Amino acid sequence: GAVVSQHPSRVICKSGTSVKIECRSLDFQATTMFWYRQFPKQSLMLMATSNEGSKATYEQGVEKDKFLINHASLTLSTLTVTSAHPEDSSFYICSASQGRINSPLHFGNGTRLTVT
Amino acid sequence: GQQVMQIPQYQHVQEGEDFTTYCNSSTTLSNIQWYKQRPGGHPVFLIQLVKSGEVKKQKRLTFQFGEAKKNSSLHITATQTTDVGTYFCAGGRDNYGQNFVFGPGTRLSVLP
Repeated sequence: GAVVSQHPSRVICKSGTSVKIECRSLDFQATTMFWYRQFPKQSLMLMATSNEGSKATYEQGVEKDKFLINHASLTLSTLTVTSAHPEDSSFYICSASQGRINSPLHFGNGTRLTVT
Repeated sequence: GQQVMQIPQYQHVQEGEDFTTYCNSSTTLSNIQWYKQRPGGHPVFLIQLVKSGEVKKQKRLTFQFGEAKKNSSLHITATQTTDVGTYFCAGGRDNYGQNFVFGPGTRLSVLP
């Protein structure tokens, strides 16, 4: 089945530093990947849609200069949290679709970011 | 904007009891998908419903899509401890079915 790998699974960083999270589709090509943020015991909040070879589409209220997304290939999208602050601490998850109409989303295992 | 709501937020059941979670959208959906997230895990795809009034079954799980394509339900018969987790519905918000808005989820606890 379709597998999405997300790395790292956990990261602790100091306030003011930047953190890069990778999302890879291992056995399929993903022209579109999605980035979510999930607070404890809450739902998935879509942050942005990552499109291969073009700019990401950000949801309302999400700062594009804060959360940089790059989708350089059909199997890799990265999310960089720039100048991280404690309020950015959260669980970040990516998902990818195989691109067919109504195909399911395949999720990565998520990244637990803690900013101290 | 488009909103997807789910009720109940939490449900505690005794093992063997049935469980139902309901999903409602403020607008018509192109399709709906259901996901299960175990504690500490990531969401895992369960099923997709596309047609108005569609009903699908997976063993003890029954999924329904409303006639107006604005609501859906997931029913679990005779719950087991392995059913523990949070169940999310995700409403398709475009005709390509790749852009979804997730409901807040229903957290199910099953007491042995």
